[in-house]
Amino acid sequence: AQSVTQPDIHITVSEGASLELRCNYSYGATPYLFWYVQSPGQGLQLLLKYFSGDTLVQGIKGFEAEFKRSQSSFNLRKPSVHWSDAAEYFCAVGARNAGNMLTFGGGTRLMVKP
Amino acid sequence: NAGVTQTPKFQVLKTGQSMTLQCAQDMNHEYMSWYRQDPGMGLRLIHYSVGAGITDQGEVPNGYNVSRSTTEDFPLRLLSAAPSQTSVYFCASSYSASGGAGGEQFFGPGTRLTVL
Repeated sequence: AQSVTQPDIHITVSEGASLELRCNYSYGATPYLFWYVQSPGQGLQLLLKYFSGDTLVQGIKGFEAEFKRSQSSFNLRKPSVHWSDAAEYFCAVGARNAGNMLTFGGGTRLMVKP
Repeated sequence: NAGVTQTPKFQVLKTGQSMTLQCAQDMNHEYMSWYRQDPGMGLRLIHYSVGAGITDQGEVPNGYNVSRSTTEDFPLRLLSAAPSQTSVYFCASSYSASGGAGGEQFFGPGTRLTVL
């Protein structure tokens, strides 16, 4: 069965600093990988996704993620964080043979200091 | 397009009561699913459907029933509510996979359920 681990429950960064959120997955084949963001009291918004091809994926809001098969990782990065990036971030792996259903990590809550 | 809609937004139930959470999508997506979100656990899959008339269990199906009579609707029924079912429930839909590529899941705004 697939699984996703987000090792950092909380992260605090200063506005303008760079950000890296870690994600490790376990899946028996080539995974579909996703990053979602959730603002307080809101639903989930897709930041970016990896299906195949180029391992560096660009997303919305200036985010990018790199798929590293050898490390089973899909870390999310942003070069300069804005206060509006404060939210909870979820990494997920999708099952190609089960209706695209997602297995989520536990989430990382990002706080941004002014 | 309204996307994925869920009703109600909030609900309070007493232990043992039953209710149905509604989910509808207007994107003609084949796949639909229900997740629950609990603090520190991300979202966990309850049930999913790959088309009208076809449903299957996810990671945490106990205490929930689903059916899919139309492409648009995928209601989630709580048979006898328990405090452990206090959670935020999200419905999602996606187009079917084709050529090996998966489909992005679109999420509804969620239903916050409290069971007393």
